[in-house]
Amino acid sequence: DQQVKQNSPSLSVQEGRISILNCDYTNSMFDYFLWYKKYPAEGPTFLISISSIKDKNEDGRFTVFLNKSAKHLSLHIVPSQPGDSAVYFCAATLYSSASKIIFGSGTRLSIRP
Amino acid sequence: GAVVSQHPSWVICKSGTSVKIECRSLDFQATTMFWYRQFPKQSLMLMATSNEGSKATYEQGVEKDKFLINHASLTLSTLTVTSAHPEDSSFYICSARVGGTDSPLHFGNGTRLTVT
Repeated sequence: DQQVKQNSPSLSVQEGRISILNCDYTNSMFDYFLWYKKYPAEGPTFLISISSIKDKNEDGRFTVFLNKSAKHLSLHIVPSQPGDSAVYFCAATLYSSASKIIFGSGTRLSIRP
Repeated sequence: GAVVSQHPSWVICKSGTSVKIECRSLDFQATTMFWYRQFPKQSLMLMATSNEGSKATYEQGVEKDKFLINHASLTLSTLTVTSAHPEDSSFYICSARVGGTDSPLHFGNGTRLTVT
């Protein structure tokens, strides 16, 4: 049973446009969400996070939106740059038990010139 | 810069042998480290939580006698894959938290294990 789902295995976006990566979760107890970026043969790198008490968190070109009623979050990257090409993992955790992070299966983002 | 160092980055071993993977926290002490495994095109799966000075906590379905974890110091955790088989071939990644429970995990670069 996948508690964190990323239904799009891949996404291609033109450079300069907005990239939107989506993530759905099933456990309503999750209260902290994170996005990680991963290049081939490297470990994931933390990108941005959001607590369930917020619906938006912005950091430079990256914005994460959380819709708790829909159990849905999204990562917006604008403008998209070639260096953004990577696999993006959505993750969720319980704040009280933050050691156990549940990851989605990832979305491969490719930025076209 | 990298805060978690993992070694080796890749290893090839013969079936039946054991392989040790090291995970070090750089410039900070990690009482807890986490070991993940990733199969191709799949998600990172938490295998176990490594606790300094005590036994590791394994996730359901992970054989603790197969994947030995030792967290002997505040900066080093090791994962030993014992009697490796081809199905153990995977990408293993460790992580640690720099700050408190509300700080994100920092990951090592991973170890690609290939068992022939």
